[in-house]
Amino acid sequence: DAGVTQSPTHLIKTRGQQVTLRCSPKSGHDTVSWYQQALGQGPQFIFQYYEEEERQRGNFPDRFSGHQFPNYSSELNVNALLLGDSALYLCASSATSGGKGDTQYFGPGTRLTVL
Amino acid sequence: GNSVTQMEGPVTLSEEAFLTINCTYTATGYPSLFWYVQYPGEGLQLLLKATKADDKGSNKGFEATYRKETTSFHLEKGSVQVSDSAVYFCALQTGANNLFFGTGTRLTVIP
Repeated sequence: DAGVTQSPTHLIKTRGQQVTLRCSPKSGHDTVSWYQQALGQGPQFIFQYYEEEERQRGNFPDRFSGHQFPNYSSELNVNALLLGDSALYLCASSATSGGKGDTQYFGPGTRLTVL
Repeated sequence: GNSVTQMEGPVTLSEEAFLTINCTYTATGYPSLFWYVQYPGEGLQLLLKATKADDKGSNKGFEATYRKETTSFHLEKGSVQVSDSAVYFCALQTGANNLFFGTGTRLTVIP
């Protein structure tokens, strides 16, 4: 059973460019969340997708947008890249039970470097 | 609001030593609590969790008890191994289902 997969593994962009990161959830999971982890910090919640809609959003600007496809996979798009967007971007998937504490399983991350 | 405060690292221990990493939280409502571990160059792996007060989560010799009265979820292991060297993150999850993480504690175990 494949876990959460992310692509690409590493990415280098320049300021002002746009980037798309991809995530495939664990089999049986329908919810995808994205997190940004700056160097030496804990992950920060960006947004969560369920049933192809953004269900929740953290404190990130509109330059960060996403999408979820019918097969539950997801993309994170970042426009007008800034140096401060350099980070490890983590995708997590979960199976929505309707109760509290749906466990999130993380992928290996995409390391984005903005020059 | 929701927040997690973790013991600052780094923590360096000799093999077979006892480990405690402190974690306290502030939350609206009654959150679920988690410990995740991150090995070098990798994503996060779930280590253990507890969903209600007095629950004890355990896995691979690690354990943590959800203490509502002290708003704590301290991670412990009786005898650490070199392979336990990693960064440990405490996190809480509210009914809204997004995770709030602490800043992480780096553990290095020396032979």
